Amino acid sequence: EAGVTQFPSHSVIEKGQTVTLRCDPISGHDNLYWYRRVMGKEIKFLLHFVKESKQDESGMPNNRFLAERTGGTYSTLKVQPAELEDSGVYFCASSQNAWTGAYEQYFGPGTRLTVT
Amino acid sequence: GDSVTQMEGPVTLSEEAFLTINCTYTATGYPSLFWYVQYPGEGLQLLLKATKADDKGSNKGFEATYRKETTSFHLEKGSVQVSDSAVYFCALRGSGNTGKLIFGQGTTLQVKP
Repeated sequence: EAGVTQFPSHSVIEKGQTVTLRCDPISGHDNLYWYRRVMGKEIKFLLHFVKESKQDESGMPNNRFLAERTGGTYSTLKVQPAELEDSGVYFCASSQNAWTGAYEQYFGPGTRLTVT
Repeated sequence: GDSVTQMEGPVTLSEEAFLTINCTYTATGYPSLFWYVQYPGEGLQLLLKATKADDKGSNKGFEATYRKETTSFHLEKGSVQVSDSAVYFCALRGSGNTGKLIFGQGTTLQVKP
């Protein structure tokens, strides 16, 4: 069974540009989470999808970030326009069981975003 | 709000040394506690977990005990190997139903032969 995949693995963009990160969860996993780790600090929660619906987006830093989950399958996280402080590693995770959040979260390898 | 505090790294040990990475938490209710590990070039992997007070999680020679009285979940291993070199994250999941994880800042462990 394929794990969580993320694309690209690395992205270097200039301030003001747009970047779109993609996450493909494990097939059949209803829950999808985005997290971010900035400059060796803690990993912070961004948002949580249950199927195609946003369950919790309390961690989204501002309206330059837009997340979507088409048809409850893969998800994209768009940053527009990117700022220097957006640099970091963006992790995606997925888990089973839509309504309790009780199952283990499986993480992807992350996308390292560098904004120059 | 809920939070997790880990000891600062990096931690450098010789092979076969004893490892402790401290983790304390602040949370309302009864959180579940986790240790995740990130090996170089890979994603986060669940190392072990404990879901209630006094539970001991264990895996690959690592152990951690859920101590509610001291709000701690310290990671220990009796004899580390070079292959244990990685970044270790302590995390909690609150007692609500969203499942979101709250992480500490991570501790880098380097084990030298």
